[in-house]
Amino acid sequence: EAGVTQFPSHSVIEKGQTVTLRCDPISGHDNLYWYRRVMGKEIKFLLHFVKESKQDESGMPNNRFLAERTGGTYSTLKVQPAELEDSGVYFCASSHPTSGRAKNYEQYFGPGTRLTVT
Amino acid sequence: QKEVEQDPGPLSVPEGAIVSLNCTYSNSAFQYFMWYRQYSRKGPELLMYTYSSGNKEDGRFTAQVDKSSKYISLFIRDSQPSDSATYLCAMSAGYQKVTFGTGTKLQVIP
Repeated sequence: EAGVTQFPSHSVIEKGQTVTLRCDPISGHDNLYWYRRVMGKEIKFLLHFVKESKQDESGMPNNRFLAERTGGTYSTLKVQPAELEDSGVYFCASSHPTSGRAKNYEQYFGPGTRLTVT
Repeated sequence: QKEVEQDPGPLSVPEGAIVSLNCTYSNSAFQYFMWYRQYSRKGPELLMYTYSSGNKEDGRFTAQVDKSSKYISLFIRDSQPSDSATYLCAMSAGYQKVTFGTGTKLQVIP
């Protein structure tokens, strides 16, 4: 079974440019999450999709960030325009559909996209 | 104050030692407690998952949760060089959103 994949693995852009990150969850996983880790800080939640619907987007930092999950499969996270403080590693995770307590919290993470804004 | 506090280390131990990793938290609503292992340039990998208070053992790994003290621990017995990684505690109130500690970097020296 293929794991969570993310593309690109690394992106370097200039301040003011646009970047789009992509996440492909494990096949059959309805839940998809985006997290971010900035230098020296903990991994922080950004948002959660259930299929194509945004379940919780309380962690999105501002309206420069736009996440989509068309068709309930892969997801994209667009940053427009990028600022210096957006640099960090963006992780995507996915989990099974809700089917008992244990299943909800086995979130499988991708390798992350390292974003550098200069 | 952060919701989850974790000593960043680094922690260096000789091979075969017992490793103790800990986190404290402030949010009484947390019910689900997890430990993730992260190797360099990789994503976090779920090691242990515990619901509410108690102990859970899986091979060389034991997770403990003490909700009365808001304190969780991960013990690694007979540590191996391959255990060298960053260990992240994580917890949730049951609403899917997971809150992480900063991670403790562990090095097991052969």
